[in-house]
Order: sequence, then structure tokens, then C-alpha cells
Amino acid sequence: AQSVTQPDIHITVSEGASLELRCNYSYGATPYLFWYVQSPGQGLQLLLKYFSGDTLVQGIKGFEAEFKRSQSSFNLRKPSVHWSDAAEYFCAVGAGEYGNKLVFGAGTILRVKS
Amino acid sequence: GAVVSQHPSWVICKSGTSVKIECRSLDFQATTMFWYRQFPKQSLMLMATSNEGSKATYEQGVEKDKFLINHASLTLSTLTVTSAHPEDSSFYICSAGTSYEQFFGPGTRLTVL
Repeated sequence: AQSVTQPDIHITVSEGASLELRCNYSYGATPYLFWYVQSPGQGLQLLLKYFSGDTLVQGIKGFEAEFKRSQSSFNLRKPSVHWSDAAEYFCAVGAGEYGNKLVFGAGTILRVKS
Repeated sequence: GAVVSQHPSWVICKSGTSVKIECRSLDFQATTMFWYRQFPKQSLMLMATSNEGSKATYEQGVEKDKFLINHASLTLSTLTVTSAHPEDSSFYICSAGTSYEQFFGPGTRLTVL
């Protein structure tokens, strides 16, 4: 069965510092991979997705993620974090026949200190 | 991007009552919608796949008689929590979209007293 592991429940970074959120997945075939962000009281917003092709994916808000098949990882990165990036981040793998049934990781709460 | 709305955004009800939550795709048609449940400080768990014009497909462990799903049109799916109990209190989120991208509603906070 598909699964997603986000090993870090909380991460705190200083504003302006770089960020990396870890995500490991388990999936038999070539995965569809996603990163979503959820701010308090808000719905999930798609940051970026990977289906195929270039393993380095650029997303919105300056985020990028790199798909590494050998490590079953899809880590999210941002070179310089802004206070407005404080939120909860979810990694997900697309399952099912059409890849649109999402299996989510437990989430990582990002805190940004000034 | 496409917009998915949910109504209500929050609801408080007494134990034993039923609550209906609506999920609408505002600017596109969705033959398939998904319902998720999110417990506090936990991830989203897929409850069911809502298919327009046919029965919903429930994930293992989800009671279909407890969580009734109706997908009456290409823009509307409803989730009814029947005979709600305090353990049903949760954040319910729907999504709709294509094979390549799902758009999420803002969620509905259900509190059962």
C-alpha cells in the first residue's frame, strides 16, 4: 500500500534561512508526488507536483522539490524563508487508477522565528 | 486555479443529529470528488470517493451508513454525518479536480456536543 512519511513533526527556522522539509514515499509504480501547504483556517494549497521528467520541480512562492527515485524521497526546499511561510506542509502521493486519490504524510509544522 | 467551496465552514450540533456538508466546484465540472477527514494535529485521511451519478466508494474502515455521500451533479457533492456523536467531531475537507491536480475546499469544522 502507498504511504508517505514526513519524519519531522515540527521545524523551526530563522527568517531568511534556508529550509528543507523531508518526505519519503512508498509506492510500487512511478509516483505522482505533491506538496501542499495549509495555513490555519485555510484549505490546502498546492505548492508543486511531480509526474515525470525533470526531477527538480519548481513551485509557487519560491519553493522547489527534488524527486530522488533511489531514495524514494521528494524533499521540499526554499533558499530563504519568509515569516509568511509559517504553516503546515503536507507531502502526498497520488494513488488509485488515475493518481488522484491522495495519500498524505503526517505533515510538518513550520515555525519561522524573526 | 479552480475554486472549491464548502458549506458550512463550521457547525456545532447535538449528539444524535445529522449534519450535511456541501462541497461545490465553482468554476469547473467534477465527475469525481473526494472527502477527507483531518483530526487535530494529524494528517488528512481519505474517507471516500464521490462519483457523479453513482454510488460513492468508501475507504476501508469508513462506515458508509454513517457517512452518506451524494454526488447529485457535476458541481455538487454532499457528505451527511448521520446520528453524529462526539467522536465524529473533526475537520472535513473535500477536493475536486483532474487526474493531475486536486483543488481543496477550505474545510468544515464539525463539533458534536
